[in-house]
Amino acid sequence: AQKITQTQPGMFVQEKEAVTLDCTYDTSDQSYGLFWYKQPSSGEMIFLIYQGSYDEQNATEGRYSLNFQKARKSANLVISASQLGDSAMYFCAMSPYSSASKIIFGSGTRLSIRP
Amino acid sequence: GAVVSQHPSRVICKSGTSVKIECRSLDFQATTMFWYRQFPKQSLMLMATSNEGSKATYEQGVEKDKFLINHASLTLSTLTVTSAHPEDSSFYICSARAPGTSGLSETQYFGPGTRLLVL
Repeated sequence: AQKITQTQPGMFVQEKEAVTLDCTYDTSDQSYGLFWYKQPSSGEMIFLIYQGSYDEQNATEGRYSLNFQKARKSANLVISASQLGDSAMYFCAMSPYSSASKIIFGSGTRLSIRP
Repeated sequence: GAVVSQHPSRVICKSGTSVKIECRSLDFQATTMFWYRQFPKQSLMLMATSNEGSKATYEQGVEKDKFLINHASLTLSTLTVTSAHPEDSSFYICSARAPGTSGLSETQYFGPGTRLLVL
């Protein structure tokens, strides 16, 4: 079965601190893609970062990095130097090779940044 | 990045009426678009895959006669909720494949969503 698990329903972090959002996944596919999306209160889904299952290096995009541990099937998102504007829902997602473009989303983590 | 728009952003309708939601890719052509539904405090659930010029592919449990999808052009897909009922109230989001991406790295760009409230 294809599944994404986010065990942190909510997190509070002090501004300027780094934060790690956990994500584990389950798939029998050898090839798959992993994504993180941000959803502010406005509702739009904002693409943050992508990691391919065969990528040897962890993906980075500005303040976002993905800590990919394939053997543990985890794909945690690390946000460095958090900002007030980072407060939002964050969704981990997976696109298994066998599902052809379909994206499976986790339940999300609500991140709140304290000033 | 690529821009996807949705119209309307918010709609309130009476039970039994039909509501049409438009999804447009503004600066690129999208042969495939996706429709998702999100209930409050829940994740996005894929409803259907909309293919330009052909019938949509619906996910298991989604009524194709209730949620009509039309992808008439490379920049427009519409979702019509027919005979809407209060339980259809939800946040509907569309997405389109980003240009220049393919395979597993294929990124989807999402529209801003449509909040539907059926009274």
